[in-house]
Amino acid sequence: DGGITQSPKYLFRKEGQNVTLSCEQNLNHDAMYWYRQDPGQGLRLIYYSQIVNDFQKGDIAEGYSVSREKKESFPLTVTSAQKNPTAFYLCASSYRGRSNQPQHFGDGTRLSIL
Amino acid sequence: AQKITQTQPGMFVQEKEAVTLDCTYDTSDPSYGLFWYKQPSSGEMIFLIYQGSYDQQNATEGRYSLNFQKARKSANLVISASQLGDSAMYFCAMRERPNSGYALNFGKGTSLLVTP
Repeated sequence: DGGITQSPKYLFRKEGQNVTLSCEQNLNHDAMYWYRQDPGQGLRLIYYSQIVNDFQKGDIAEGYSVSREKKESFPLTVTSAQKNPTAFYLCASSYRGRSNQPQHFGDGTRLSIL
Repeated sequence: AQKITQTQPGMFVQEKEAVTLDCTYDTSDPSYGLFWYKQPSSGEMIFLIYQGSYDQQNATEGRYSLNFQKARKSANLVISASQLGDSAMYFCAMRERPNSGYALNFGKGTSLLVTP
């Protein structure tokens, strides 16, 4: 079955450490997205990518970085510059340029500070 | 400015009853799409229903229907015959023309609890 796989499910970060969250999809979607969700809040856009080797900042990109070397993969790195990284991170994908198509989401990664 | 407003932080409904979850939105773009997602306590986001700004009919998907009032900029989700498994967070989201690569703007959500 096609879907989006995020790993790990839980992640702990030490002070000054960079950590990378994995997102892989086999839906043949061009566009991929990273969202952050804080308790009691909606989702906020961190980064998005519409094609391989291209990505754009979302509303809250500071302290994060991404790469898009393969269509299937869109990893997110939470750098030490992100001072409040504790949150639930969701990766999504969709067909590019089809505004009526929903985004499909992974199961998320919960990141906490040690 | 908040583009999607969900004014009900929490709602209760009895099993088998219908419930309406409110959503209002703000946009000056004539072309947009509205989505509802369900998020159980496990965290995954489940797509429920879509309404396009040019759609003439209100969207329906099984027990879910969308009360779309374009002039009032509201897109309320109606769940009929509630089930215990409907207890979850519900998010309204909007997609405008290719801003942010068709990313979604989400509301803060409504927590629904279905009681026996």
